Amino acid sequence: DARVTQTPRDKVTEMGQEVTMRCQPILGHNTVFWYRQTMMQGLELLAYFRNRAPLDDSGMPKDRFSAEMPDATLATLKIQPSEPRDSAVYFCASGTRDSTDTQYFGPGTRLTVL
Amino acid sequence: GENVEQHPSTLSVQEGDSAVIKCTYSDSASNYFPWYKQELGKRPQLIIDIRSNVGEKKDQRIAVTLNKTAKHFSLHITETQPEDSAVYFCAARPNSGNTPLVFGKGTRLSVIA
Repeated sequence: DARVTQTPRDKVTEMGQEVTMRCQPILGHNTVFWYRQTMMQGLELLAYFRNRAPLDDSGMPKDRFSAEMPDATLATLKIQPSEPRDSAVYFCASGTRDSTDTQYFGPGTRLTVL
Repeated sequence: GENVEQHPSTLSVQEGDSAVIKCTYSDSASNYFPWYKQELGKRPQLIIDIRSNVGEKKDQRIAVTLNKTAKHFSLHITETQPEDSAVYFCAARPNSGNTPLVFGKGTRLSVIA
């Protein structure tokens, strides 16, 4: 049963520190999405990639967030410097451009910035 | 762009009763409508989906209906059980392929034993 994996599962850091979250999409999936979930805002799309190329990152605060796909098996989301308002659960999801159009979510990274 | 509205935001039902969650979408070009269930502390998981060429789809106790003319779709859960308690998200995808899903705000369903 193939699944999206994410590391770390939990991260506690202090304001101003750099945070890097990693995602391994399901093998063969060519589209990767990053979402942020908070109680107030629900699921917010931050960025997504197709075949490792960024298609849209308009949901990300550009001054502190960056997303990359160094290769087809790894996507990263980086926050530098982190702020308390960045505390949330960050989900990665992957999918394919085929008839299913389904997105499958990873377990999430719970980030707490003190 | 696409906008998805979901109602109600919270729903409490007695065990064994039915639960219905409704969503509306704005983009008539949307053609794929999945539903996700998210248990506390877990990832959203796909439970059922429907495409615009189908009006209804069932899978055991859950069913989804789609009204393209009115641009709304609904999730129906029959014979609810305590393990159905979770947050449910509807979503819509404009066109297909490159565009990501647009999610509703979620419905917190509580099934009271």
